[in-house]
Amino acid sequence: DSGVTQTPKHLITATGQRVTLRCSPRSGDLSVYWYQQSLDQGLQFLIQYYNGEERAKGNILERFSAQQFPDLHSELNLSSLELGDSALYFCASSDRLAGGYNEQFFGPGTRLTVL
Amino acid sequence: ILNVEQSPQSLHVQEGDSTNFTCSFPSSNFYALHWYRWETAKSPEALFVMTLNGDEKKKGRISATLNTKEGYSYLYIKGSQPEDSATYLCALNSGYSTLTFGKGTMLLVSP
Repeated sequence: DSGVTQTPKHLITATGQRVTLRCSPRSGDLSVYWYQQSLDQGLQFLIQYYNGEERAKGNILERFSAQQFPDLHSELNLSSLELGDSALYFCASSDRLAGGYNEQFFGPGTRLTVL
Repeated sequence: ILNVEQSPQSLHVQEGDSTNFTCSFPSSNFYALHWYRWETAKSPEALFVMTLNGDEKKKGRISATLNTKEGYSYLYIKGSQPEDSATYLCALNSGYSTLTFGKGTMLLVSP
């Protein structure tokens, strides 16, 4: 158990809908990362937050947004969902902003299915 | 865009076989290389973090080597067991806050 929790575990929704994925980092970790794992793709980095502030952006669509709250949990909001958004979404946390070895600890993921 | 390549894409071996796979990365962007083990329905779990050219790390029957000058790392599993079946991911840390992952090598070990 990495200490990172994600809810829900599975989510099934329809095209055009909006969903929110939630992540709680390991105790003491200030950085939260969101990744998308689609079929035949590696883990694609979406966005990073550090202590409530956005710090790095990857291949995140404009329809997606995230935030990190004062208690350090993070939410990833996906709107106007399309079939191609079906994927496994991982959250990871780290105890640093950058530098060092930046070892990241992963949550169990949320499997999103868009019908 | 950093390109991290892993090969082979998948591998099927018999219990007791030793195996190895490769992670290639741009040597000019190297700060650290991470190996993760990802079992189905579980979270990716960190195996090794490698930082120095010539680094060799070992955990039980699993070991890894690093060549930063030519931009590759090998992961070896000695005497594979069915419980080693997983996807093995490598990820490049180029000195910034994010990791760039390869697509992984899916290993299946048959009893």
